[in-house]
Amino acid sequence: EAGVAQSPRYKIIEKRQSVAFWCNPISGHATLYWYQQILGQGPKLLIQFQNNGVVDDSQLPKDRFSAERLKGVDSTLKIQPAKLEDSAVYLCASSHRTSGGNQETQYFGPGTRLLVL
Amino acid sequence: GENVEQHPSTLSVQEGDSAVIKCTYSDSASNYFPWYKQELGKGPQLIIDIRSNVGEKKDQRIAVTLNKTAKHFSLHITETQPEDSAVYFCAASIRSGYALNFGKGTSLLVTP
Repeated sequence: EAGVAQSPRYKIIEKRQSVAFWCNPISGHATLYWYQQILGQGPKLLIQFQNNGVVDDSQLPKDRFSAERLKGVDSTLKIQPAKLEDSAVYLCASSHRTSGGNQETQYFGPGTRLLVL
Repeated sequence: GENVEQHPSTLSVQEGDSAVIKCTYSDSASNYFPWYKQELGKGPQLIIDIRSNVGEKKDQRIAVTLNKTAKHFSLHITETQPEDSAVYFCAASIRSGYALNFGKGTSLLVTP
């Protein structure tokens, strides 16, 4: 089974520029998450999708961050304009409900490392 | 919202020794507690998880214990090996399908 794919793996931009990240979840996984991981910290949720609908975007800085999952499969996360404090690893994860209805195990991609100069 | 505290932030052990990482959480409604291992340059990988109706779970050299009354859970790694060296994260979730709230991580170093 292929894992969660993300691209690019690394990105360096200057502040005020825009950047986009792409995620392809594990096949069949209806739930997709974007997390931000700042150096030395644990991942923090930015947005959660169920199919192509948003479940939780309460921690997404909506003045500069946007995300979409138009067809319920791939997703893109965009930052415009970027700030220095956006330097972080952006992780995509996906999950599906187990047969018993228990908590869905989240599988993470390798992440995109963003450096804003 | 849920707040997850993790200790210690760094841990160094000799190969063959045991390692213990502890986490506490604030929301008594939390019912799912996974542990992730993150190696340099990679995404977090699930190593074990426990649900609120279970007090302990073991998988080979790895075990997790949960004390819901005290709102803390721990990861135990026995017979540590150099390849166990990584950053370990605990997390908690209040409801099935909801996002995880992570601790700040523990950097484990196993020296030969």
